[in-house]
Amino acid sequence: EVQLVQSGAEVKKPGESLKISCKGSGYSFTSYWIGWVRQMPGKGLEWMGIIYPGDSDTRYSPSFQGQVTISADKSISTAYLQWSSLKASDTAMYYCARRNRGWNDDYYYYYMDVWGKGTTVTVSS
Amino acid sequence: SYVLTQPPSVSVAPGKTARITCGGNNIGSKSVHWYQQKPGQAPVLVIYYDSDRPSGIPERFSGSNSGNTATLTISRVEAGDEADYYCQVWDSSSDQHAVFGGGTQLTVL
Repeated sequence: EVQLVQSGAEVKKPGESLKISCKGSGYSFTSYWIGWVRQMPGKGLEWMGIIYPGDSDTRYSPSFQGQVTISADKSISTAYLQWSSLKASDTAMYYCARRNRGWNDDYYYYYMDVWGKGTTVTVSS
Repeated sequence: SYVLTQPPSVSVAPGKTARITCGGNNIGSKSVHWYQQKPGQAPVLVIYYDSDRPSGIPERFSGSNSGNTATLTISRVEAGDEADYYCQVWDSSSDQHAVFGGGTQLTVL
């Protein structure tokens, strides 16, 4: 079974650092991009960025560039999302998701087919 | 950047058909994907590539995409379909940047 297992809930203080994880299993982890999505309390889904674990090629949404770091360790099939200095506004649920690919004889199309259960991050003094 | 517009809410009686729209400039030229998110749960892919269903998704879920509007249609709506639904495309300037609609809350009356 294809799965993404995310690390547990975190409670942190403003200014602290944090690294959350997303471990893939049941498929070739290095062959699929992994994306990160933020959902603030009561709000919609926001795209943060994506990484290709095969070579750690990483792309960030302009809204999150410089605010977080996305990384991966392919030896343990795990992707990471980290902050160097948390703010109260980082309080949210964070999801990782696998990006799959299809071909329609003309072009590739991409979609997020497997999602982790999410990691709740609470930042409060 | 590309903007997707969804109605904040849609209500439907059990057994009826729900239609959730997703508007975007010439969205018909893009591949649209739909996710269902029930309270306290992670999103689940219900439609990809405009109208394909992943395995395990009931045939009651279907999708279409043309012009400036994509539509998720749920036939014979059940109480268990009550959830938030999000449409998603990839920004044409980068196939690595996803764009989500604001989400539509489906209420089963």
